[in-house]
Amino acid sequence: EVQVVESGGGLVQPGGSLRLSCAASGFTLNNYWIHWVRQAPGKGLMWVSHIIGDGTKTSYADSVKGRFTISRDNAKNTLYLQMNSLRAEDTAVYYCVKGGAYSTSPFDSWGQGTQVTVSS
Amino acid sequence: DIQMTQSPSSLSASVGDRVTITCRASQSISSYLNWYQQKPGKAPKLLIYDGITLQSGVPSRFSGGGSGTDFTLTISSLQPEDFSTYYCQQSYGTPPTFGQGTQVEIK
Repeated sequence: EVQVVESGGGLVQPGGSLRLSCAASGFTLNNYWIHWVRQAPGKGLMWVSHIIGDGTKTSYADSVKGRFTISRDNAKNTLYLQMNSLRAEDTAVYYCVKGGAYSTSPFDSWGQGTQVTVSS
Repeated sequence: DIQMTQSPSSLSASVGDRVTITCRASQSISSYLNWYQQKPGKAPKLLIYDGITLQSGVPSRFSGGGSGTDFTLTISSLQPEDFSTYYCQQSYGTPPTFGQGTQVEIK
């Protein structure tokens, strides 16, 4: 069964850092595009970042560029999102999402999400 | 970025009603349009991809249509478990973008 499980969320002060993890099972990360999508309280869905299957390219939303870094450990079949210089507006549930083999593939498997709260 | 606009933002309907949600892209996205269902406190779930293709396990009362800039999600006979928020998303360009969501409520 394809599954992604996020962890690492929590309460952090503005300017602080967190690293989210996404453990994949039932498939191999490096065969698929993998995304982070977030949802602020009471709001809609916003794409944050992705890494392509072969790991050679990453992309970020403008609002997180330069502060967030997506990476992958193929041996652990785990994806990460390093979040630095966190702001109140980064408060959200963060979802790890499996895409497909192509950039145009839909987001077909979602984790349960991990809550990130940025507050003093 | 490609802007996605859904309408309506919310609707009230009864069990058994036919419901249609519209999604418009700010530029042509071919057929790279996906629909998701989200229930409160849960992760979104893929319903339809590439505009018209039903994801495995999704009931046949859900259908998608359109291409280019205008798309629809139709529920032919609304069931109690369908009361949720629905999002469209384009996967044509980077960044992938979502519509603002349509909340389907019980009348």
